[in-house]
Amino acid sequence: AQKITQTQPGMFVQEKEAVTLDCTYDTSDQSYGLFWYKQPSSGEMIFLIYQGSYDEQNATEGRYSLNFQKARKSANLVISASQLGDSAMYFCAMREGTGRKTSGSRLTFGEGTQLTVNP
Amino acid sequence: EAQVTQNPRYLITVTGKKLTVTCSQNMNHEYMSWYRQDPGLGLRQIYYSMNVEVTDKGDVPEGYKVSRKEKRNFPLILESPSPNQTSLYFCASSFILGRYEQYFGPGTRLTVT
Repeated sequence: AQKITQTQPGMFVQEKEAVTLDCTYDTSDQSYGLFWYKQPSSGEMIFLIYQGSYDEQNATEGRYSLNFQKARKSANLVISASQLGDSAMYFCAMREGTGRKTSGSRLTFGEGTQLTVNP
Repeated sequence: EAQVTQNPRYLITVTGKKLTVTCSQNMNHEYMSWYRQDPGLGLRQIYYSMNVEVTDKGDVPEGYKVSRKEKRNFPLILESPSPNQTSLYFCASSFILGRYEQYFGPGTRLTVT
């Protein structure tokens, strides 16, 4: 069975500094996808970044990058140059069976990390 | 505008009174799903659908029903709500193939008294 673990219930960072949010996963699938979502206090779920299990390069999207270590089964989110607006809950999620030619469905979420950016 | 809509956004009801939360997407996505979010537990999948007339249970399906009669709609039905179904509910949709992220609706906050 899939499992996502986020071991940091809360994190604090100073504005303009970088922060790493941890995510480890467990799956028996060879083909899977890893996602990070942001949930601000307003409640909506905002997609940030995606990493496929067969992607050779670490994913990057603006100030977000994913530190993907397949052998360790970790997919940590790195936010560079933190901004006050980055304060939110962050969820790591995994989708089984995702690949170039396969279909995927179930999305399993971690418990989330509450990030607070201090001025 | 590409979006997933849910209605109602907020609902307070009493134990045992049947209710339906609607979900609709305008992106022609095959895949739709319902999640509930509870503090400390993240989001847990209730039901999902790979296409019209194809639905399957997620991790926490007890007490819920779904249907997928049209591609764009995926209503969540609580036949006899109980207080332990008080939660924040999200509908989501995506394409099936490849790396596509799931698009989430704005959420429905349900309170069952």
